[in-house]
Amino acid sequence: EDQVTQSPEALRLQEGESSSLNCSYTVSGLRGLFWYRQDPGKGPEFLFTLYSAGEEKEKERLKATLTKKESFLHITAPKPEDSATYLCAVQAEPVKRRQNFVFGPGTRLSVLP
Amino acid sequence: DSGVTQTPKHLITATGQRVTLRCSPRSGDLSVYWYQQSLDQGLQFLIQYYNGEERAKGNILERFSAQQFPDLHSELNLSSLELGDSALYFCASSLVENNSPLHFGNGTRLTVT
Repeated sequence: EDQVTQSPEALRLQEGESSSLNCSYTVSGLRGLFWYRQDPGKGPEFLFTLYSAGEEKEKERLKATLTKKESFLHITAPKPEDSATYLCAVQAEPVKRRQNFVFGPGTRLSVLP
Repeated sequence: DSGVTQTPKHLITATGQRVTLRCSPRSGDLSVYWYQQSLDQGLQFLIQYYNGEERAKGNILERFSAQQFPDLHSELNLSSLELGDSALYFCASSLVENNSPLHFGNGTRLTVT
């Protein structure tokens, strides 16, 4: 069964204090790993797609990396507006009757001024 | 703006009633997913359609049903509503089933009183 876990469950940082969020996965036939940001009461917002081990993507203060078993979301010099829940998801090979997009439980990030 | 439109934004109804939630996917997207998110909980996968065909079912109750129409919009029907059905219901769409991210709408907040 495809599974995604994320750690830590919650993270409090001071503004400017860099850190990393972890996403570990087991999936048969990885088609992509995705990072999302979700603000309270809103739909998840797509950030990055990673397709193969060694791949990296960057956007402003965020950088996502991928290995064969996990992905990291590095946050450099975060600001209070980076506070949100960050979700990781894996897409498996589509097989009829089987969910092929599996989300992790998320990491709740708070950045204090 | 993700391009995915969900209506209505808010819905308040009584136990035992039936409601219909509507989703218009991004232009050109063939796949539609429905998720339920209860307060401070993760995303629970309900059901997925691809080009009008049901592809996968998750933890969807028998009281819930969905369909995707020829114009690719989708509807989620919830009947015999219970207090525990109160949640945010998200629709997401993707271009195809493989190698493409999901793009989420901003959800319908359902309150059952």
